Amino acid sequence: EVQLVESGGGLVQPGRSLRLSCAASGFTFANFRMSWVRQAPGKGLEWVANIDIVGGKTYYMDSVRGRFTISRDDALNSLYLQMNSLRAEDTAVYYCGKIERNALGWWGPGTLVTVSS
Amino acid sequence: DIQMTQSPSSLSASVGDRVTITCRASQSISNYLNWYQQKPGKAPNLLIYSASSLQSGVPSRFSGSGSGTDFTLTISSLQPEDFATYYCQQSYGSLTWTFGQGTKVEIK
Repeated sequence: EVQLVESGGGLVQPGRSLRLSCAASGFTFANFRMSWVRQAPGKGLEWVANIDIVGGKTYYMDSVRGRFTISRDDALNSLYLQMNSLRAEDTAVYYCGKIERNALGWWGPGTLVTVSS
Repeated sequence: DIQMTQSPSSLSASVGDRVTITCRASQSISNYLNWYQQKPGKAPNLLIYSASSLQSGVPSRFSGSGSGTDFTLTISSLQPEDFATYYCQQSYGSLTWTFGQGTKVEIK
């Protein structure tokens, strides 16, 4: 069975960095594009970034481009999100997702990131 | 960037009602449109992909239609477990994705 489990969330001060991880199992990780999506408290879903397979081309939403970096380690079946220069508006639950047929067919339970002094 | 507009933002309905939610894209996205259901405190769940294809395991009372800029999610007979928030999402061109703002379906 497909499993995605995020980790690395927590409380961080504005301007600091945080690295999220997503451990994948139950499928051949290297064969699938992956995604990060976030949800601020009480708000809707917001797509953050995607990463392709084989060469790992990356794509970002405008407000995180240049601050966030999505990456993957196929040997470790892991997805990452390096978040730098964090802002209060980055506070959210961050979900990793497995892309199938251009949709997010599987989601992790999410990890909460709180940016506050 | 492609903007997605859902309507209504919320609705009240009774068990057994037929419910329709619409999603409009700011430009043509062919059939690169997906629908998700989210319950409080849980991760979203994919219902419909490619505008009209039912995800495995999803009840057949859910259906999707549309292409180009206008799309619809229909629940043919609302069940108690269907009270949730629904989101559309475009994946056109696989470059940058966008979600709609969500539609909360509440009990009348």
